[in-house]
Amino acid sequence: GEDVEQSLFLSVREGDSSVINCTYTDSSSTYLYWYKQEPGAGLQLLTYIFSNMDMKQDQRLTVLLNKKDKHLSLRIADTQTGDSAIYFCAESKSSASKIIFGSGTRLSIRP
Amino acid sequence: EAQVTQNPRYLITVTGKKLTVTCSQNMNHEYMSWYRQDPGLGLRQIYYSMNVEVTDKGDVPEGYKVSRKEKRNFPLILESPSPNQTSLYFCASKRPGGTANGANVLTFGAGSRLTVL
Repeated sequence: GEDVEQSLFLSVREGDSSVINCTYTDSSSTYLYWYKQEPGAGLQLLTYIFSNMDMKQDQRLTVLLNKKDKHLSLRIADTQTGDSAIYFCAESKSSASKIIFGSGTRLSIRP
Repeated sequence: EAQVTQNPRYLITVTGKKLTVTCSQNMNHEYMSWYRQDPGLGLRQIYYSMNVEVTDKGDVPEGYKVSRKEKRNFPLILESPSPNQTSLYFCASKRPGGTANGANVLTFGAGSRLTVL
């Protein structure tokens, strides 16, 4: 069945780059998403990528997609304390289909 | 402001006492959904609704009911709560057809933390 997997925790030093990894099983996934959940809040869409793209960059965020290995990563450059949050990887086949979420990666920032 | 509003944000109750968590959106979205978030399990879908009077089970519907009498509201009902329903609940909605390029973009409420003793 469909599955999305992520590691549960990541700790990085302030100013370093953070790389959050995700693997998925459904090769027919068309859209892959990163959602951010700040403490006490709901999830907010951070960015998404189409399966026919390898990379998407948006300011400090870089998303890399390796479709062959079904691997998605989110790189945050110059990580700041405000980046502390849980990051969820997700996938869907279309706008009408279900979104499958990973378990979330909790990013903590060390001074 | 476009948003999804859930109430209550926090609730402690006892086993068997019926409760309702309300969810309302002001974006005229047709699709609405309920999720529960548990440590290490991520988000699991409880129920969803494609439109008024249309509801379907998600992955973990047991012990829950929903209704969709109006487009803006999608309450989650726990008829007889049990301790294994202690969780953080999120309501979400999205516009039909997703974004202009077809991507699914959900708007989430702030969450309702429920504790069942």
